Amino acid sequence: DAKTTQPPSMDCAEGRAANLPCNHSTISGNEYVYWYRQIHSQGPQYIIHGLKNNETNEMASLIITEDRKSSTLILPHATLRDTAVYYCIKPLSGGSYIPTFGRGTSLIVHP
Amino acid sequence: EAGVAQSPRYKIIEKRQSVAFWCNPISGHATLYWYQQILGQGPKLLIQFQNNGVVDDSQLPKDRFSAERLKGVDSTLKIQPAKLEDSAVYLCASSLGLTAQANYGYTFGSGTRLTVV
Repeated sequence: DAKTTQPPSMDCAEGRAANLPCNHSTISGNEYVYWYRQIHSQGPQYIIHGLKNNETNEMASLIITEDRKSSTLILPHATLRDTAVYYCIKPLSGGSYIPTFGRGTSLIVHP
Repeated sequence: EAGVAQSPRYKIIEKRQSVAFWCNPISGHATLYWYQQILGQGPKLLIQFQNNGVVDDSQLPKDRFSAERLKGVDSTLKIQPAKLEDSAVYLCASSLGLTAQANYGYTFGSGTRLTVV
């Protein structure tokens, strides 16, 4: 039980913003939301994580709703190399971080 | 910084044979994880180590799978005997510690692709 819900697939034009949604309605007050991506034939790669405030790093931005029940990962200028499966996850309760993965969203960036 | 190293990269065995996978985590990472990823699915946690002790192995099929982390560094995952449904990618990951704040150190290896025929 991944406890998050993501659309199975999305597509985006190269150079445009890719907005990947995630529902995590059962998140508790001290649970972070994490995003990873997995490019074909590689292991998952950490992208970003957040608790309440929006976050930005060199890879992406993370927008978390005020009620914390959903979030959106934004790739501001998608490239072909961003084609991957994107996972939105949250750790098990109790402060122990054990990423549990669902099926994620398969993002295809096309020319 | 070197990443998480795994070997072999690929392995093909016949059912009922044995196989072992090796993982070398990032230096200084106390926590090590083994995941199984079946084609088309997300990774599924098999076992988690903190140093050389097991933290969680509730999803490890203990009748055929075993894992150890001697000296709290390298780890091996073994399957004996293998079944057709064990065909998957086996991923190793490591992190600085158990808490969420340690996530910055959570890194996956490239995995071992196992095919059981």
